[in-house]
Amino acid sequence: SQLAEENSWALSVHEGESVTVNCSYKTSITALQWYRQKSGKGPAQLILIRSNEREKRNGRLRATLDTSSQSSSLSITATRCEDTAVYFCAIASSSFSKLVFGQGTSLSVVP
Amino acid sequence: EAAVTQSPRNKVTVTGGNVTLSCRQTNSHNYMYWYRQDTGHGLRLIHYSYGAGNLQIGDVPDGYKATRTTQEDFFLLLELASPSQTSLYFCASSEFGQGAGQNTLYFGAGTRLSVL
Repeated sequence: SQLAEENSWALSVHEGESVTVNCSYKTSITALQWYRQKSGKGPAQLILIRSNEREKRNGRLRATLDTSSQSSSLSITATRCEDTAVYFCAIASSSFSKLVFGQGTSLSVVP
Repeated sequence: EAAVTQSPRNKVTVTGGNVTLSCRQTNSHNYMYWYRQDTGHGLRLIHYSYGAGNLQIGDVPDGYKATRTTQEDFFLLLELASPSQTSLYFCASSEFGQGAGQNTLYFGAGTRLSVL
């Protein structure tokens, strides 16, 4: 099983609505990153949240981290069609020397 | 803005063929990485390097070689390509290593490789 995984393969919302993507992980972490990958592009980092942080914001994006339940969420408010993308979480741990990516959640924002 | 450029963007080869994927970064970053992305597996690390002449093995290195010729250039070599290597390949760079997870990875746009 995956060390990090998003709990939905795909989500669809209407423009203007809010949406949350969830990630769960199975080890102690030092940090968790959220990436977005638009069609035909490489992933781009959205938010980095350290293990001693509970919440981080970046414009319309808000990430939370709950180390007790080993989970994180990425919320997007006032979604736009250009938010359509695959969203990944990636975890870092002192147990391994590289980021471990989840498989991603595909988000569609429709007009 | 950090920049990572991959070439070619698309490549088709036959089983047993020789393929070289190229990556150049203009970020002055120390670390460079090669990933493959497949449905159901997400991003998997093939090889990485922390400087010219250095090479480290990732999680799925079998069938791949890599070479870091300069600070800017990192190549992925498939010397006897197999259909199982059909995938979307990404190069990335970061200023420091991934160990503590405190660094941003900057990805290129990817190379789609088909091995027939």
